[in-house]
Amino acid sequence: DGGITQSPKYLFRKEGQNVTLSCEQNLNHDAMYWYRQDPGQGLRLIYYSQIVNDFQKGDIAEGYSVSREKKESFPLTVTSAQKNPTAFYLCASIDRDYNEQFFGPGTRLTVL
Amino acid sequence: EDKVVQSPLSLVVHEGDTVTLNCSYEVTNFRSLLWYKQEKKAPTFLFMLTSSGIEKKSGRLSSILDKKELFSILNITATQTGDSAVYLCAVESNYQLIWGAGTKLIIKP
Repeated sequence: DGGITQSPKYLFRKEGQNVTLSCEQNLNHDAMYWYRQDPGQGLRLIYYSQIVNDFQKGDIAEGYSVSREKKESFPLTVTSAQKNPTAFYLCASIDRDYNEQFFGPGTRLTVL
Repeated sequence: EDKVVQSPLSLVVHEGDTVTLNCSYEVTNFRSLLWYKQEKKAPTFLFMLTSSGIEKKSGRLSSILDKKELFSILNITATQTGDSAVYLCAVESNYQLIWGAGTKLIIKP
């Protein structure tokens, strides 16, 4: 069964802590993306990666970091520098042949 | 600056009505326009449009793109309560998807 998995589904963090959100895909897609979604807003791009060992900042990269050591994995770290991290985080990968973006189920992060 | 604007932001109709959702865009290097439906979790793919004037259809949903006027519409006929969701439009440009804010559609029984 091919797809994208994200974990955990829900995450609670204390202020000042770094947390890492997992994203794994077995679709053999080269490109992977991290989005943040806030109520009443569209998806905003945090980081994206077109290929292993390479990634670019999106529109709201401040306070976040990523790595892409393997094609299948694109973890996102929310650092203490992110001032308002409570949000729904979606990971996605894209099938270049069909231009369809596949999404993981998302992680809801809440800062206490 | 690239942007995608959806209208209306929210819409409430009764079951059986027909609705039209709008998506206009201004982007460099347009590649495709995509429609997604989002209920409580991750968006699910509906349509991808790349050519003007060719209608894509799936059941009661249909969509068309106008690349001259830079917009797309998503039609839903004979709406059902299960159509209640946020409908998102995205445009691919320079290998990124630029997202609209979405239209929240509520179908009343």
